[in-house]
Amino acid sequence: KAGVTQTPRYLIKTRGQQVTLSCSPISGHRSVSWYQQTPGQGLQFLFEYFSETQRNKGNFPGRFSGRQFSNSRSEMNVSTLELGDSALYLCASKQDSNQPQHFGDGTRLSIL
Amino acid sequence: SQQGEEDPQALSIQEGENATMNCSYKTSINNLQWYRQNSGRGLVHLILIRSNEREKHSGRLRVTLDTSKKSSSLLITASRAADTASYFCATAFSGNTPLVFGKGTRLSVIA
Repeated sequence: KAGVTQTPRYLIKTRGQQVTLSCSPISGHRSVSWYQQTPGQGLQFLFEYFSETQRNKGNFPGRFSGRQFSNSRSEMNVSTLELGDSALYLCASKQDSNQPQHFGDGTRLSIL
Repeated sequence: SQQGEEDPQALSIQEGENATMNCSYKTSINNLQWYRQNSGRGLVHLILIRSNEREKHSGRLRVTLDTSKKSSSLLITASRAADTASYFCATAFSGNTPLVFGKGTRLSVIA
């Protein structure tokens, strides 16, 4: 099976812009979660989608949003980018509850 | 906020030695998972241990869980240079709640 695929791998944006990141989960996995990883805050949970519905949400402002399509692919969007949004954004999928998550290699977002 | 806290933050050992990393957490859990991350890459799942289990093995990895002390340990035996990475513990309150990660232990294995 192909692993979790995230695109793009690298992205440079300027403050105030918006960005959309994409994640294709492992085939058959209906749960997709997004995480933000920074040196200072570590890995922080953004949100989880399951069968096109947001099932869990972390403590991030409304500028961070996501969605999931019927084929389980997911996108996350960040609007009005701030310097502090510079991070590695990781997507993970899993088959079912109590199962391990499988991560993509992430999208490294740099805000200038 | 971080639920799991790994200890030590950094560990440097010689190839062939064993490496032990510890994780403490604060609330009751359904399961605890260990992940590895090589620099600039995604996380790789290592072991999932459920709250009713005390020990699990996978190859050179051994994980223990003590729910009374709210702690877990990851032992890597006969370390190799390729084991150099950051190791994270993550806890789940229930099967469908988000994983909460610690800040990780950075392991360096010197050849």
